[in-house]
Amino acid sequence: SQQGEEDPQALSIQEGENATMNCSYKTSINNLQWYRQNSGRGLVHLILIRSNEREKHSGRLRVTLDTSKKSSSLLITASRAADTASYFCATGETGANNLFFGTGTRLTVIP
Amino acid sequence: EAGVAQSPRYKIIEKRQSVAFWCNPISGHATLYWYQQILGQGPKLLIQFQNNGVVDDSQLPKDRFSAERLKGVDSTLKIQPAKLEDSAVYLCASSFSPGGARETQYFGPGTRLLVL
Repeated sequence: SQQGEEDPQALSIQEGENATMNCSYKTSINNLQWYRQNSGRGLVHLILIRSNEREKHSGRLRVTLDTSKKSSSLLITASRAADTASYFCATGETGANNLFFGTGTRLTVIP
Repeated sequence: EAGVAQSPRYKIIEKRQSVAFWCNPISGHATLYWYQQILGQGPKLLIQFQNNGVVDDSQLPKDRFSAERLKGVDSTLKIQPAKLEDSAVYLCASSFSPGGARETQYFGPGTRLLVL
């Protein structure tokens, strides 16, 4: 079964604005990962945050994790048209061998 | 470093026909995954290999789907016979070590299957 649920399902912003996507999950996790998928392509790993971490940065990306609320957020600052893609959170459940992907947020950045 | 390779990129078949997909993971990666991604959904794991052994195939419809990873490198996924609901993108991914849920997975471009 799919673990994470992203919110919103779709987001449209102007270039230069910030984009925030949220992910909620249900069980205990070792880590949470964010992936990007451009139309018709495979997924690209963006960032991994472990259960004992609260915030992580990578370039224009900022990820937070709140294990007490079982939620994570992905912030993309100063968005670009090239950021247009679907973004998925994936959870590594405690004791599991594999990742469970959410349904994704479709981000459109308007030039 | 070369990425995960998949072929073909696109396939159109009629229901009840057979189809096979091929994946070559990143060199040195012990773990290989096949996912099914239906339009509008996230990827769903079908099968996970560690070297040439199966770690998890609990969501593989074994009456029609089969997969193998010979010599712990390349892998093939087969559907026989195909149904309309098998229309999806089939993604192959690999990771360096067996810690599947604890590390980054690297994805190929996927094979888009349409069953008519």
